[in-house]
Amino acid sequence: EVQLVESGGGLIQPGGSLRLSCAASGVSVSENYMTWVRQAPGKGLEWVSVIYTSGSTYYSDSVKGRFTISRDDSKNMLYLQMNSLRADDTAVYYCARDQFYSRGAEALDIWGQGTMVTVSS
Amino acid sequence: DIQMTQSPSSLSASVGDRITITCRASQHINNYLNWYQQKPGKAPQLLIYAASNLQSGVPSRFSGTAFGTDFTLTINNLQPEDFAAYYCQHNYSTPPTFGQGTKVEIK
Repeated sequence: EVQLVESGGGLIQPGGSLRLSCAASGVSVSENYMTWVRQAPGKGLEWVSVIYTSGSTYYSDSVKGRFTISRDDSKNMLYLQMNSLRADDTAVYYCARDQFYSRGAEALDIWGQGTMVTVSS
Repeated sequence: DIQMTQSPSSLSASVGDRITITCRASQHINNYLNWYQQKPGKAPQLLIYAASNLQSGVPSRFSGTAFGTDFTLTINNLQPEDFAAYYCQHNYSTPPTFGQGTKVEIK
């Protein structure tokens, strides 16, 4: 069964750090582009970061310099290291697989269930 | 960054209705436009990719069209399980931004 399962969320004080994990089964994190998307309470979806099969990484302006996406190919795991956390980082964080279709189209076709991060004192 | 303007932000409809949601890109995105459905407390699910291609397993009452930088998601014969939030997302460049979302509620 193809599945992504996030973990590592919780309550953290402003300025703190947290590492989210995404365990993949039935899909290889090293052979796919893998993405993090977040959703603040009652708000819409926000793209956060992507890691390419090459290892290249990209970030939204709102997290650049504070968050780091990585993967462990041997464990088939995706990570999001979050530092200098702020109240506006409070959200459900989803990992997702970026699937490629013909003519360069791509979309997020497999999603985890999400993990909640609350930044508050 | 490319901005995605989605409308309406919410709508009320009845079972059996036909509804249309619109998404406008701030520049050309070569039809690299996806639609997702999200039910409360659940992860989003891909409905349509590349503007008009139905993802495997998605009912045929869902369809997508494109005209320049304007994109529409149409749901024919609205079913009870279709009451949810819908988001567009471009994938033309990084960051692949989402629209603000449309909440479809029962009238």
